[in-house]
Amino acid sequence: SQQGEEDPQALSIQEGENATMNCSYKTSINNLQWYRQNSGRGLVHLILIRSNEREKHSGRLRVTLDTSKKSSSLLITASRAADTASYFCATRITGGGNKLTFGTGTQLKVEL
Amino acid sequence: NAGVTQTPKFQVLKTGQSMTLQCAQDMNHNSMYWYRQDPGMGLRLIYYSASEGTTDKGEVPNGYNVSRLNKREFSLRLESAAPSQTSVYFCASSPPPGTSGRPQETQYFGPGTRLLVL
Repeated sequence: SQQGEEDPQALSIQEGENATMNCSYKTSINNLQWYRQNSGRGLVHLILIRSNEREKHSGRLRVTLDTSKKSSSLLITASRAADTASYFCATRITGGGNKLTFGTGTQLKVEL
Repeated sequence: NAGVTQTPKFQVLKTGQSMTLQCAQDMNHNSMYWYRQDPGMGLRLIYYSASEGTTDKGEVPNGYNVSRLNKREFSLRLESAAPSQTSVYFCASSPPPGTSGRPQETQYFGPGTRLLVL
């Protein structure tokens, strides 16, 4: 079964609005990462947050991690049409080497 | 740098046919991975190679074999294709410990191979 489950499965917002996606996972992790996938393309790494971190920022991205709830959220502020993509969380499980386990993804559509 | 390249981009096979998906990276990465992506399932790990000369099974290895030919190349072989193997296949690589820039745990993905098995 998937380690990570994203919520919502799909999200449609207007340009300029903020987009929030959530990820829940099942087992102890070393870190959690977020990736973006444009239609028909490979995944691109966005941001990594380690298990001892609670919040991280990168440009318009803000990621939080709550290890007690086994959940993370990705916030994209002031969204743009170019942010339209699928977003996946991926966890590096403790003791799992460099392997990542991906969630099922959130499809974000940003409309003009 | 080309990053991670995959060939072919698209392939149609008949049930029972065999084929090899090729992957190469020019970033001097140690670890390489093969995933499949199916609608609603996210990415699932098929096989990975932590370093040249080693390979290990992932979550869904049945029906596949891999070869880590050298540090750059990691191929995925379907010996007898089945319709259930219709999917998009992605290769990825990750840098060794101590690499400047992004953490070693991040993965760099190729553009994918779309495989249709009839």
